[in-house]
Amino acid sequence: SAVISQKPSRDICQRGTSLTIQCQVDSQVTMMFWYRQQPGQSLTLIATANQGSEATYESGFVIDKFPISRPNLTFSTLTVSNMSPEDSSIYLCSTKDRGFNGGYTFGSGTRLTVV
Amino acid sequence: KQEVTQIPAALSVPEGENLVLNCSFTDSAIYNLQWFRQDPGKGLTSLLLIQSSQREQTSGRLNASLDKSSGRSTLYIAASQPGDSATYLCAVRIQGAQKLVFGQGTRLTINP
Repeated sequence: SAVISQKPSRDICQRGTSLTIQCQVDSQVTMMFWYRQQPGQSLTLIATANQGSEATYESGFVIDKFPISRPNLTFSTLTVSNMSPEDSSIYLCSTKDRGFNGGYTFGSGTRLTVV
Repeated sequence: KQEVTQIPAALSVPEGENLVLNCSFTDSAIYNLQWFRQDPGKGLTSLLLIQSSQREQTSGRLNASLDKSSGRSTLYIAASQPGDSATYLCAVRIQGAQKLVFGQGTRLTINP
């Protein structure tokens, strides 16, 4: 399966600021996915990022709050903008495994605390 | 809308016991189902992937079953060890879609 390097692993940020999370994949992948996991909750998909096109956002998530870049087939960033304490979560990127088995691989996550 | 439910939400057992974690989903039109492990504050590690045409998959002490018609999957852990302590998540991939829908997870504690 693909290997994803995600950073930072954690951060503590002041409200009103922005944080950019990076994910680097060890192979070229068509789609990358960004998830949020709020404290005590399961994972919710934020958006799907394809190279060369605008990201597709799920209901309840908007580009102004969570801008995504996908400059090439191995890299993507998610920015959490104008943060508030409610944005404190674990953010994870994901991609489909190599081959056609349909499985998914996840990065190690970014634990964000907004104070 | 696909909904995934995991029962129990938390489970604590002594070391050495065999145990079963349950996952149910409301729409049987799935492409596959994947079980993950998550350690506190960390990312997800894939454990087992079951295609919609399969009934079960095994990896070491883990066995996952799938009954698509009834909307259920189980994860069986044999001879549990303290290192198995983690949250276990199941996720289904909907047919015709790329995204995963996750359950809330089962927080498992194995006591030495």
